[in-house]
Amino acid sequence: EVQLVESGGGLVQPGGSLRLSCAASGFTFSSYWMHWVRQAPGKGLVWVSRMNSEGSSTSYADSVKGRFTISRDNAKNTLYLQMNSLRAEDTAVYYCAGGYSYSYSPFDYWGPGTLVTVSS
Amino acid sequence: QSALTQPPSASGSPGQSVTISCTGTSSDVGAYNYVSWYQQHPGKAPKLMIYEVSKRPSGVPDRFSGSKSGNTASLTVSGLQAEDEADYYCSSYAGSNNLFGGGTKLTVL
Repeated sequence: EVQLVESGGGLVQPGGSLRLSCAASGFTFSSYWMHWVRQAPGKGLVWVSRMNSEGSSTSYADSVKGRFTISRDNAKNTLYLQMNSLRAEDTAVYYCAGGYSYSYSPFDYWGPGTLVTVSS
Repeated sequence: QSALTQPPSASGSPGQSVTISCTGTSSDVGAYNYVSWYQQHPGKAPKLMIYEVSKRPSGVPDRFSGSKSGNTASLTVSGLQAEDEADYYCSSYAGSNNLFGGGTKLTVL
């Protein structure tokens, strides 16, 4: 059974940092481009970042560029998102999602999400 | 990196058909045949319904279909059923990034 499980969310003060993890199982993680997608409360989906299957190529939305860093450990089947200089507008449920082989592949698999709340 | 444009809401009676549009630009929807659609029920993760404009993943009913013309993609749900009531999001590959639409709340009357 395919599973993606995010963790690491919580309450953080503005300007603070948080590291999200996404543990994958049930599929060949190392063959998948992985993405982070977020959804603010009551709002729509917003693509945040992606990384290629080998971990050598990344891309970011303008809103998080320079503050967030995506990474992965294929030996541990885990995707990460390091979030620094957090702002109130970063408050959202963060989903990890996987697409097979290519950057343009659809998001086949999704985790249940982890909530990040940025507030003082 | 502007979001794709979707109508905020759509509705139809059981058995009817409804079409949801997704408008982008010549740099995203118009440039690539990599448009996908996702269904999201409240409190749940999104689910892939259509990929590469018009292809259906295994297990998705053939009541769901997709198309594209120029910079606008469309999702059609035929034979509406109560369980189709959900939020629907389009997504497009855009080269250096990926984009989502703002979402459309589909109500089955």
